[in-house]
Amino acid sequence: EIVLTQSPGTLSLSPGEGATLSCRASQSVSHNYLAWYQQKPGQAPRLLIYGASSRATGIPDRFSGSGSGTDFILTISRLEREDFAVYFCQQYGGSPLTFGGGTKVEIK
Amino acid sequence: QLRLQESGPRLVKPSETLSLTCTVSGDSISNSNYYWAWIRQAPGKGLEWVGSVYYTGLTFYNPSLESRLTISVDSSKNLFSLKLTSMAAADTAVYYCARPFVPFRPTISFDSWGQGALVTVSS
Repeated sequence: EIVLTQSPGTLSLSPGEGATLSCRASQSVSHNYLAWYQQKPGQAPRLLIYGASSRATGIPDRFSGSGSGTDFILTISRLEREDFAVYFCQQYGGSPLTFGGGTKVEIK
Repeated sequence: QLRLQESGPRLVKPSETLSLTCTVSGDSISNSNYYWAWIRQAPGKGLEWVGSVYYTGLTFYNPSLESRLTISVDSSKNLFSLKLTSMAAADTAVYYCARPFVPFRPTISFDSWGQGALVTVSS
């Protein structure tokens, strides 16, 4: 199975700053089938990005995804208060589907 | 509007079987061509795909759980179910049901989720 490693584990930033989150795969993700989710405490994950770089319906354009092969990035251009949460990557290029361990973006 | 609702016991004894149901409203399991999924999350941990089912009963399971897992669908009631046998403490998790963001794909990403059901394994 494809193991996804996210870094850093925690990112401490202030509102208005930019955030860069990394997701590295143990092997190449077929067709760049890589998604990003946001999760807030007590809530289900929310799909942000699919296909490495396509925003899901209703997702603000301050969220962007990039990367290919084994290295993927989620960028949040200007953090708003509602963006402080945990972010997970997920690959669906191979079975079983797997998720990364998450990056927590916290208020500095 | 699509809504998924998990139901079932929240406390299971070690070695017993977990049975959960996901009731779907706002979409028809048998007419929509989606693979309906279960995903779990241990407390404070990451997410783990459990498995997916098509309305025909075709299933895809995570190999790590396959020997203990059955996912089934009841189109007449518009719900799908999970059974996980030989429950252990490591199976304590929030269990989510979910629908992918596109039909026809058994392994994909998910844009619709239930609220989740915390299941604790304890004697």
